[in-house]
Amino acid sequence: DAEITQSPRHKITETGRQVTLACHQTWNHNNMFWYRQDLGHGLRLIHYSYGVQDTNKGEVSDGYSVSRSNTEDLPLTLESAASSQTSVYFCASSDLAGSSYEQYFGPGTRLTVT
Amino acid sequence: QQQVKQSPQSLIVQKGGISIINCAYENTAFDYFPWYQQFPGKGPALLIAIRPDVSEKKEGRFTISFNKSAKQFSLHIMDSQPGDSATYFCAPGAGNNRKLIWGLGTSLAVNP
Repeated sequence: DAEITQSPRHKITETGRQVTLACHQTWNHNNMFWYRQDLGHGLRLIHYSYGVQDTNKGEVSDGYSVSRSNTEDLPLTLESAASSQTSVYFCASSDLAGSSYEQYFGPGTRLTVT
Repeated sequence: QQQVKQSPQSLIVQKGGISIINCAYENTAFDYFPWYQQFPGKGPALLIAIRPDVSEKKEGRFTISFNKSAKQFSLHIMDSQPGDSATYFCAPGAGNNRKLIWGLGTSLAVNP
């Protein structure tokens, strides 16, 4: 069955370190998204991609970067982790074709920056 | 600027009761109106969605009501069950880019 996976599921890092969160999907979806979820803020879009070599900034992109070298993967990098980036991170994907906007979510990565 | 306003923020319902969650939006270009359900420790998952050419869609105990003129849509959960306890998000979308604009969520607790 197709799925979307994230790793690691939990991560503790120190302020200033570079951290990369992995996202891998086997849906063969063109669109991929990274969100962060914080209490009181819902889901906020960090970066998104509509295909290989395409990346776009979302509403809270400062301090984060992504790259898309293939269809299956969209890793999220925190260049220099800050305590404000402690959050739960979700990756999602959706199909470009058809009438559905449905996004399929991974299980999330809980990141703690100390 | 908050494009999507969801209410209430939290809701407590007795088992067997009706849960109603509302979503108001500003962007008249939205053409896809979904509700997502999220359980603790999990990612959100699509529950039910509607297009603007219909005013209501029902799937089992879950119903979306859509009011285009009022720019609102709502989720009704009939015969609410403890297993429905979760956070619900509205997330309307528009255009070919498939981006969704997320509400802040409603935490639903169904008491047994």
